[in-house]
Amino acid sequence: DIQMTQSPASLSASLGETVSIECLASEDIYSYLAWYQQKPGKSPQLLIYAANRLQDGVPSRFSGSGSGTQYSLKISGMQPEDEGDYFCLQGSKFPLTFGSGTKLEIK
Amino acid sequence: EVQLVESGGGLVQPGRSLKLSCAASGFTFSNYGMHWIRQAPTKGLEWVASISPSGGSTYYRDSVKGRFTISRDNAKSTLYLQMDSLRSEDTATYYCATLRDWGQGVMVTVSS
Repeated sequence: DIQMTQSPASLSASLGETVSIECLASEDIYSYLAWYQQKPGKSPQLLIYAANRLQDGVPSRFSGSGSGTQYSLKISGMQPEDEGDYFCLQGSKFPLTFGSGTKLEIK
Repeated sequence: EVQLVESGGGLVQPGRSLKLSCAASGFTFSNYGMHWIRQAPTKGLEWVASISPSGGSTYYRDSVKGRFTISRDNAKSTLYLQMDSLRSEDTATYYCATLRDWGQGVMVTVSS
């Protein structure tokens, strides 16, 4: 199985700050990587797919990058509505595997 | 507008069965692979099972193989998850998803 190591587990950021979340795959996942945001009591929302493609309707302050085994999500200018949990998902091989999540809070 | 609406959850005793349904609308259901993903209380997301657009191929995580069956009815735009021999560790909110779109989730609690 492909292991997805996500870091950090939690993060506190000031309004307007740029934050980054990383996911490291245990093997090459060929950019089959998605990022999701989840708010309390809600289902996950797709932010980024194919490592760097912004999902329709997602603010442009969100961006994804990476290749091979290393991927990152960047939020350029933290906003209050960006608080929540963030997960990466590899879709290269079954079983699909998620990162353990990052809890992002406003400082 | 894409809608995925899960149903069929509830409280069930260990060893018993439950069948989840997911009614899809707003897109051509038969063109999409579909997935069940679960989330135990206060935990992360865990992929459970997937099915190809035609239903001809299915995939399961090891811990549910032989106990859960994913299926679909493309004429009814509905996805199913038959869960047998349920265990306490299956307690979670179960989401139906295309991976782009997700349902609101349905709670399954396995407890005596």
